[in-house]
Amino acid sequence: AQKVTQAQTEISVVEKEDVTLDCVYETRDTTYYLFWYKQPPSGELVFLIRRNSFDEQNEISGRYSWNFQKSTSSFNFTITASQVVDSAVYFCALRGGMDSSYKLIFGSGTRLLVRP
Amino acid sequence: ETGVTQTPRHLVMGMTNKKSLKCEQHLGHNAMYWYKQSAKKPLELMFVYNFKEQTENNSVPSRFSPECPNSSHLFLHLHTLQPEDSALYLCASSQEVGGGGNQPQHFGDGTRLSIL
Repeated sequence: AQKVTQAQTEISVVEKEDVTLDCVYETRDTTYYLFWYKQPPSGELVFLIRRNSFDEQNEISGRYSWNFQKSTSSFNFTITASQVVDSAVYFCALRGGMDSSYKLIFGSGTRLLVRP
Repeated sequence: ETGVTQTPRHLVMGMTNKKSLKCEQHLGHNAMYWYKQSAKKPLELMFVYNFKEQTENNSVPSRFSPECPNSSHLFLHLHTLQPEDSALYLCASSQEVGGGGNQPQHFGDGTRLSIL
């Protein structure tokens, strides 16, 4: 069975603080893909990043960085110098590579509130 | 502008009404999806269409009826809904090649549905 756990339901930080959103996944597939999405109050899910299971390099994009560790089945997301506009719900998602159904398994999401 | 447009943005209907949700994608993708997002529950995949053919029905009640006339348009026909069907309904699309599963899904803003 595939599962994504985001243990942090809600995080509140003050602007300019760094914040890390945790994501732990379970899968039996040897090839799989991990995603992060942002859902602002407007409702749409905005794609942030995709990671392949065979590529464990960490990635940085501006103030965003992702730490993928297969040994602990984690794919954590860090926002550096947070801003009020970062306030949103963030979802981690998993998709098995051998699954022919295109099913994307989402975590329950972490609500991030960045206060001025 | 996300490339995936959903209408209406908000819908209030009685349990005996019949209505339809519409989704249109302008990204040239070949797969489209319906998701349900309820309060305090993870995003739930409802239906998947690939090249207009339904490839997944995730045990959705028959009061939800999808229709995909072409790769750019997806409808969700609703009839005799229940109060627990009140939720945000999200449409997504992706460009799938075979069963790879590594392509990100791009989401619309969603339709917020309230059942009286």
